[in-house]
Amino acid sequence: EDKVVQSPLSLVVHEGDTVTLNCSYEVTNFRSLLWYKQEKKAPTFLFMLTSSGIEKKSGRLSSILDKKELFSILNITATQTGDSAIYLCAVAGGTSYGKLTFGQGTILTVHP
Amino acid sequence: DADVTQTPRNRITKTGKRIMLECSQTKGHDRMYWYRQDPGLGLRLIYYSFDVKDINKGEISDGYSVSRQAQAKFSLSLESAIPNQTALYFCATSPRGVHTGELFFGEGSRLTVL
Repeated sequence: EDKVVQSPLSLVVHEGDTVTLNCSYEVTNFRSLLWYKQEKKAPTFLFMLTSSGIEKKSGRLSSILDKKELFSILNITATQTGDSAIYLCAVAGGTSYGKLTFGQGTILTVHP
Repeated sequence: DADVTQTPRNRITKTGKRIMLECSQTKGHDRMYWYRQDPGLGLRLIYYSFDVKDINKGEISDGYSVSRQAQAKFSLSLESAIPNQTALYFCATSPRGVHTGELFFGEGSRLTVL
């Protein structure tokens, strides 16, 4: 059975802090790992990673994948209150890209 | 207008009632999915459909059924709702073939079963 585990489950920081969110996985026939941000409604896509060691970056957010150790991290530098959200990690495996297995999510709260 | 539209957005019902959640999309994607989200459990796949004639169970299909009425429409039914089906339900789509794995989500339907 495919499994995705995120840590920590929740995190409270102050603006300007840097945070690291973790995602470990066990999946048959790994294809890709995705990060989503969920505020009050639908998850929105952040990154898709398929290769080890190649950092994906978008503004203050960055992510990297380690396929040997089966984990990924999502870094957010200089956090802002608008970064407060649930961050979801998901893995595509098996015979189809579209069928994702999600982790529990990390609830990030950024205080002013 | 949203590319993936879910109705209703919020629904409160009683135990034993039949409920249908509807999803329509204008993205032209072949693949559609229903997920439910519970606090601390992330999103779990209920059913998915890779085209109009293809329906597959996900990890938590018991108590649910689906109908793919057209490429653009995918409905989720709870034949006899129970309180532990109280959750936030998401419809999602993706294109056919090799792609990023990214799903495109609707806004969610919050269902409360009393």
